[in-house]
Amino acid sequence: EAQVTQNPRYLITVTGKKLTVTCSQNMNHEYMSWYRQDPGLGLRQIYYSMNVEVTDKGDVPEGYKVSRKEKRNFPLILESPSPNQTSLYFCASSPGTGGQTQYFGPGTRLLVL
Amino acid sequence: GNSVTQMEGPVTLSEEAFLTINCTYTATGYPSLFWYVQYPGEGLQLLLKATKADDKGSNKGFEATYRKETTSFHLEKGSVQVSDSAVYFCALSMYAGGTSYGKLTFGQGTILTVHP
Repeated sequence: EAQVTQNPRYLITVTGKKLTVTCSQNMNHEYMSWYRQDPGLGLRQIYYSMNVEVTDKGDVPEGYKVSRKEKRNFPLILESPSPNQTSLYFCASSPGTGGQTQYFGPGTRLLVL
Repeated sequence: GNSVTQMEGPVTLSEEAFLTINCTYTATGYPSLFWYVQYPGEGLQLLLKATKADDKGSNKGFEATYRKETTSFHLEKGSVQVSDSAVYFCALSMYAGGTSYGKLTFGQGTILTVHP
């Protein structure tokens, strides 16, 4: 089954404790992206990657890191989480850019205390 | 920069009522337009899309027409069902080579609740 998976689905952590949210897709997509969803703001892009070893900042990259060492994986790293990073996070992938449909993972709900 | 504005919600309807959710956009160039739906506890799913002016996207009884003259992409359904209760997001993406390469720019989302 073609899908985007994320782990964990739910996470509670404390300020400053490094964490990684994994994202994997099995559709051989080149383009992957991370978004965060906050009430009243819709989804905002954090980082994206157009291919292996090619990443760039989205609209709200502060406090986040990513890497793309393999085509299928695109982990999101929070080196020192803060409470303002409490949010719902989505990973997405697509075959290319522009008008292509993006496929979303199920989401990771993060609470930073 | 590019932006998407959706009508404010939430929207509450009775089953079989007519639905319209307004969406307007601002973009430099020629965007593709999308409606995504998020059911409770799930990720976003593509509902429909249109890639050029005057295109009509349709799926599951929902429709939206890409209107370049009014920069709009309003979502409509003639008769809603309880199972349509969800959050609906309007979004745009620029074609390859645009300044917002591949990024989806979302509206704030509209919560739809349909009562029996």
